[in-house]
Amino acid sequence: ETGVTQSPTHLIKTRGQQVTLRCSSQSGHNTVSWYQQALGQGPQFIFQYYREEENGRGNFPPRFSGLQFPNYSSELNVNALELDDSALYLCASSRERGELFFGEGSRLTVL
Amino acid sequence: QQQVKQSPQSLIVQKGGIPIINCAYENTAFDYFPWYQQFPGKGPALLIAIRPDVSEKKEGRFTISFNKSAKQFSLHIMDSQPGDSATYFCAASLDSSYKLIFGSGTRLLVRP
Repeated sequence: ETGVTQSPTHLIKTRGQQVTLRCSSQSGHNTVSWYQQALGQGPQFIFQYYREEENGRGNFPPRFSGLQFPNYSSELNVNALELDDSALYLCASSRERGELFFGEGSRLTVL
Repeated sequence: QQQVKQSPQSLIVQKGGIPIINCAYENTAFDYFPWYQQFPGKGPALLIAIRPDVSEKKEGRFTISFNKSAKQFSLHIMDSQPGDSATYFCAASLDSSYKLIFGSGTRLLVRP
């Protein structure tokens, strides 16, 4: 167990809806990163939050947004869901410049 | 230039064999090269990582070999066990905690 918890574990949405995914980081970690893992693919970096500020972003459109809270937990929000957004969304926490520890992910299905 | 190419896509070995998974990168600025293990329904778990100032690193049955001039690195699993059956991902980044670029994964099956 990595100490990184994500919720919900599974959810189903329809195209055009909005979704919020949540992540609690490991104790002592101040950085949270989000990754999207499509079926049969490696994870792709969405963005990272450090001290409540976005600290870098991958090649994802603005309808992917996030938040980090003072307790270092985080949310990933996706607006105007598309079928291609169906994936496993992974949260990873770390200390500053430390190794990433991943949660078990939230499986999103968009119909 | 940001890609990490991983091969093979799948691999089957007998118990006790030594599976080898290879990765190649293009960006010479990458400074951190981890390997992750992922079981079905679970998140990736860090196995072992290396920085480009060393050519080999061992942790238990897992060894990374790193060839800086060829821009390649590989994972060797010694005395493989059926419990090692999983998907393995290589990755590369400029920093250990930031923007890992993952390979496409290798599905390993270790037969009893």
